[in-house]
Amino acid sequence: GENVEQHPSTLSVQEGDSAVIKCTYSDSASNYFPWYKQELGKGPQLIIDIRSNVGEKKDQRIAVTLNKTAKHFSLHITETQPEDSAVYFCAAFTSGTYKYIFGTGTRLKVLA
Amino acid sequence: EAGVAQSPRYKIIEKRQSVAFWCNPISGHATLYWYQQILGQGPKLLIQFQNNGVVDDSQLPKDRFSAERLKGVDSTLKIQPAKLEDSAVYLCASSLGLRDSPLHFGNGTRLTVT
Repeated sequence: GENVEQHPSTLSVQEGDSAVIKCTYSDSASNYFPWYKQELGKGPQLIIDIRSNVGEKKDQRIAVTLNKTAKHFSLHITETQPEDSAVYFCAAFTSGTYKYIFGTGTRLKVLA
Repeated sequence: EAGVAQSPRYKIIEKRQSVAFWCNPISGHATLYWYQQILGQGPKLLIQFQNNGVVDDSQLPKDRFSAERLKGVDSTLKIQPAKLEDSAVYLCASSLGLRDSPLHFGNGTRLTVT
């Protein structure tokens, strides 16, 4: 079946450094790629998304890049802060099947 | 706008008992999803509704799980009888429609089956 691989599973960075999380999807028909942040005891919250007709999108300290040929997309967080510590999930959506497939998550720890 | 509301927040039951979870989506959102999230994993889709019709329930263990969205607004997910492996967080999410509109999640119900 379709799947999304996400790496790394855990990531520790010093405050102020950058963090990069990578995902690879299998369904070439996927056309929408959101990223979610999940804090302890809460549901996932959308932080940024990108559609297949765009290669990069930025929102302040967060950016997402998409390589459709390689079926890769990545989340970049610059100038990390302790409040960025959370679990991050990538997802791939396919319009034809109306399905979201989620990655397995990355636990990010920002060390003060 | 008010977010997706779920209740209860926590539930502890013994195996073979039954349990029900409730979800009220964001007003105007036609599509509603129930996900199961086991500790350390990503959300796994159980069932997806468009208004009050089922779009996808291929991953729902229908021998013990059931869900309904009778009036196309709020929804109930039931487990009967529960098994130990059902211990998880049950997340409800909604979106405007079936197109590539973002999912909005509730805070989930943490179920522990003993």
